Amino acid sequence: DIVMTQSPDSLAVSLGERVTIHCKSGQSLLHSSNNKNALAWYQQKPGQPPKVLITWASTRESGVPDRFSGSGSGTDFTLTISSLQAEDVAVYYCQQYYNTVVTFGGGTKVEIK
Amino acid sequence: QVQLLQSGAEVRRPGSSVKVSCTASGGSFSSYAISWVRQAPGQGLEWLGKFIPMFGTRNYARIFRGEITIAADGSTAYMELSSLRSGDTAMYYCACGPYYDMYHIADLKIWGQGTLVTVSS
Repeated sequence: DIVMTQSPDSLAVSLGERVTIHCKSGQSLLHSSNNKNALAWYQQKPGQPPKVLITWASTRESGVPDRFSGSGSGTDFTLTISSLQAEDVAVYYCQQYYNTVVTFGGGTKVEIK
Repeated sequence: QVQLLQSGAEVRRPGSSVKVSCTASGGSFSSYAISWVRQAPGQGLEWLGKFIPMFGTRNYARIFRGEITIAADGSTAYMELSSLRSGDTAMYYCACGPYYDMYHIADLKIWGQGTLVTVSS
């Protein structure tokens, strides 16, 4: 199985500041067939199911604010929140779907400083 | 837009089994892949397995093989987990999303509300 490692485990950032979350995979997630990385990012708020934010490493889902962006390729990926808002307090997860067995990262908790 | 409605909370004894259902309203599962994901209290997300109705293909996370069955019948999907242990106490989610071939799914776009399964003697 592909191991997904997120960092940091948690972070506290002031409102309006930038948030950067890292996700590293145990093998490349780049598909040679479409030249895309099979990685998604999710946001989970307390008491709610996760919500997908980013697919194929950098494609923002419809309705997701443009302060959220995904980047990276191969084994190293980043989720960036350009200007943290109060409603962004949540746990964020990366997920690989390169393999037939899907795996998630351990999650990163984002709080307000 | 498909919405997913899961069955209610369950309490089970260790060693027993549980079957959770997930019903699609506003559409069917025919054009989606169905996954099940669980989350133990205060913990992260753990993928259990998937079923792609269009092809009838399914696979499971390694640690659950032999104990889990995922299936679908029209607009209802099911996940059955046997030989329950206290460590199986968790919120269980069904989720559906696109697939890009008969064995590979993509992201999980639509999620059910979750079903709490408690395993206790």
